[in-house]
Amino acid sequence: DAKTTQPPSMDCAEGRAANLPCNHSTISGNEYVYWYRQIHSQGPQYIIHGLKNNETNEMASLIITEDRKSSTLILPHATLRDTAVYYCIVRHTQNDMRFGAGTRLTVKP
Amino acid sequence: GAGVSQTPSNKVTEKGKYVELRCDPISGHTALYWYRQSLGQGPEFLIYFQGTGAADDSGLPNDRFFAVRPEGSVSTLKIQRTERGDSAVYLCASSLGAASPLHFGNGTRLTVT
Repeated sequence: DAKTTQPPSMDCAEGRAANLPCNHSTISGNEYVYWYRQIHSQGPQYIIHGLKNNETNEMASLIITEDRKSSTLILPHATLRDTAVYYCIVRHTQNDMRFGAGTRLTVKP
Repeated sequence: GAGVSQTPSNKVTEKGKYVELRCDPISGHTALYWYRQSLGQGPEFLIYFQGTGAADDSGLPNDRFFAVRPEGSVSTLKIQRTERGDSAVYLCASSLGAASPLHFGNGTRLTVT
């Protein structure tokens, strides 16, 4: 019972913004949206998370729709090193971090 | 600061053997998680510790898999009578607690021949 839906792959030009979508239509009021990414041969790396409001940190911005049924992770100026698999996760409890297949983002020169 | 450390980084064993995989969490992190990742798939949850106790072991595939965290810090994942299907990357993560992000190690790649 997948909680999130992501496109399997996306391309982005180097230097442009990468916008990665995620659908979570069954999200409940107290569930957070988390984003991780995984570069080949490394463990998943935490990017950002949010509940209702948009969030921004040094890595990315997270835009959550008003109804909370979808969100977008934005990498403002993608570089070749941003090529990775990006996972969108809806988390309810401490032990509820479940990964799907993610989106494979390829940043092209 | 030091991140989550997993040893060994690679382990090759023969079918039927016993293996132990070690995880050193970030200092002060009370929660510890084990995941397993097969090629081309996302990480799959195995077990979660809060302190010394296993709060959720619903992801362990069968009774050949067992994990301990005796002093609430270092954890060991133990696999008995290994099978070729156990070959995967085993990931460990730790967090400060509820609603805190998980921080992952780089995993142990287990190959069962």
